[in-house]
Amino acid sequence: AQKITQTQPGMFVQEKEAVTLDCTYDTSDQSYGLFWYKQPSSGEMIFLIYQGSYDEQNATEGRYSLNFQKARKSANLVISASQLGDSAMYFCAMREYNQGGKLIFGQGTELSVKP
Amino acid sequence: EAGVTQFPSHSVIEKGQTVTLRCDPISGHDNLYWYRRVMGKEIKFLLHFVKESKQDESGMPNNRFLAERTGGTYSTLKVQPAELEDSGVYFCASSQVRTSEAFFGQGTRLTVV
Repeated sequence: AQKITQTQPGMFVQEKEAVTLDCTYDTSDQSYGLFWYKQPSSGEMIFLIYQGSYDEQNATEGRYSLNFQKARKSANLVISASQLGDSAMYFCAMREYNQGGKLIFGQGTELSVKP
Repeated sequence: EAGVTQFPSHSVIEKGQTVTLRCDPISGHDNLYWYRRVMGKEIKFLLHFVKESKQDESGMPNNRFLAERTGGTYSTLKVQPAELEDSGVYFCASSQVRTSEAFFGQGTRLTVV
């Protein structure tokens, strides 16, 4: 069973607008973490934001925020004021803490920012 | 502070040959992970080291893949013999403790022809 689902293979957004990238997850564990990574065309994986399952506040990091809805098992990434440099692949990932720390990734969403 | 470093960045080999990928984690990070992304698919976990010990190798596809982490520092991932389906990008990540953020290397793009 797919544990992390990103239903948007590709997304377009106009520069300076906000965009939401969807991510749903499946776990029976109570203790887990949710991550978003950015992969630009150069290939490296850049950590963006983290949300712990016990965190009551939504995580924010600059222009990135994570819309965490625990009951719905969703962890959507919101990018405000998109920039051309935001064009990249975005991966949602989950870590189940009783599983040794490995990350389980979604299929990714390719975001294109239009000028 | 140096990040996670992977060598080589690209490798093109023929089917049946051997390739060794190397990962140098961030100094002091006991946890080292290998992942792989085959073209168009999601990134898959391969294995996890804690220091020099294999903690979890449930993601290793078959016995053609051998990973080592001598002395708990750098790690190597050897593919022998390589097959066409081994083509993809191999990522290494390290973290100080298993619950902290994992920092990724830039990946090694392996092409088997």
